[in-house]
Amino acid sequence: KNQVEQSPQSLIILEGKNCTLQCNYTVSPFSNLRWYKQDTGRGPVSLTIMTFSENTKSNGRYTATLDADTKQSSLHITASQLSDSASYICVVSAFEGGSYIPTFGRGTSLIVHP
Amino acid sequence: DAGVIQSPRHEVTEMGQEVTLRCKPISGHDYLFWYRQTMMRGLELLIYFNNNVPIDDSGMPEDRFSAKMPNASFSTLKIQPSEPRDSAVYFCASSKDTGTSGVVETQYFGPGTRLLVL
Repeated sequence: KNQVEQSPQSLIILEGKNCTLQCNYTVSPFSNLRWYKQDTGRGPVSLTIMTFSENTKSNGRYTATLDADTKQSSLHITASQLSDSASYICVVSAFEGGSYIPTFGRGTSLIVHP
Repeated sequence: DAGVIQSPRHEVTEMGQEVTLRCKPISGHDYLFWYRQTMMRGLELLIYFNNNVPIDDSGMPEDRFSAKMPNASFSTLKIQPSEPRDSAVYFCASSKDTGTSGVVETQYFGPGTRLLVL
């Protein structure tokens, strides 16, 4: 069964600090992995998309890594800001039988305190 | 571009009533997705379309749910009859086609419709 596990479930950090969110998956056949940021009351916003051959991808202060061998991904946030407070969702997609099949993590809730 | 537009933003209805959610994707996007999000289950993909054709509706919970995309700029998700357990936030998202099978471009989500079924 395809699964995506995210950790920690929630995280509180001080403004300016760095943090790393984890995503472990058992999805096959692997197509791509995405990280989304979802602010409270809004739809998710894509941060990064990585395919099998990509190890790292950055989007400003966000850097995602992918280890396809161990089936792990991380999202590193540098110099956190209050606006980084949100839920971060890892989505791993398979492509099978002509269909795109996403498996969603439950998300990590990040709170950045001043 | 205004982004993905969803209506209504909020819907409160009574059990047994029909509910219709509407979505206008970003112009030029080939894919349209309907998602449901709850605290208990997180985000779930219900159905998605490519060039107005439903590709996979295996996520649709039951026959009470139906979705249509009559043209490239409009889609509906209908629940009939609605039940309290359908209460959730329903998101519509759209994306371009990458041209590579199985890899879709960045999905742009709408603001969601918050549905409460009493």
